[in-house]
Amino acid sequence: GAGVSQSPRYKVAKRGQDVALRCDPISGHVSLFWYQQALGQGPEFLTYFQNEAQLDKSGLPSDRFFAERPEGSVSTLKIQRTQQEDSAVYLCASSLGLGPDTQYFGPGTRLTVL
Amino acid sequence: AQSVTQLGSHVSVSEGALVLLRCNYSSSVPPYLFWYVQYPNQGLQLLLKYTSAATLVKGINGFEAEFKKSETSFHLTKPSAHMRDAAEYFCAVSDLNTGGFKTIFGAGTRLFVKA
Repeated sequence: GAGVSQSPRYKVAKRGQDVALRCDPISGHVSLFWYQQALGQGPEFLTYFQNEAQLDKSGLPSDRFFAERPEGSVSTLKIQRTQQEDSAVYLCASSLGLGPDTQYFGPGTRLTVL
Repeated sequence: AQSVTQLGSHVSVSEGALVLLRCNYSSSVPPYLFWYVQYPNQGLQLLLKYTSAATLVKGINGFEAEFKKSETSFHLTKPSAHMRDAAEYFCAVSDLNTGGFKTIFGAGTRLFVKA
């Protein structure tokens, strides 16, 4: 079956531009996570959805970051007025149930802000 | 607050040798612990997980990890390294304080396997 997909795979933005990153989770997965992975680091938690409800957004680094999952499936991470420090790989993961279950990761979107 | 420390950003072993990747965690409640692997140009995938059942957990590709509460450790081992094990390995922790929502990852250990 299809895994988690993310698009675009690569995004180059000029500083100050807005970007939108898409995540298609595995069908039927209740939980969806976004992570930011800087070069040479582990993934850092950004936000978590249970169906369409955003239950934890404590990892979003600033109010320029916004995530949504309006119908409980596809999710979009939006970054407004991008800065160079936003350059990273953005990972999406989904899991079947609630709580600390196995997460299935997408390939990531590599964002480069010039 | 949860945290994860992986000792050694790089580990190099010879093919056939023991693999030992170290992970220590901090959690105020019994944790859920995970090891994920990232092969070159691939997404992260689960190797194994501890969810308060047996303390010795067996995963895919011959890897296993032992949960030691007294040492707050969850080290990953494999008796005999293979070239295909060369990858980046991440230890992670979740706990029920946050409903298990927030998973904290370590910085990762890159494993090199020499022929």
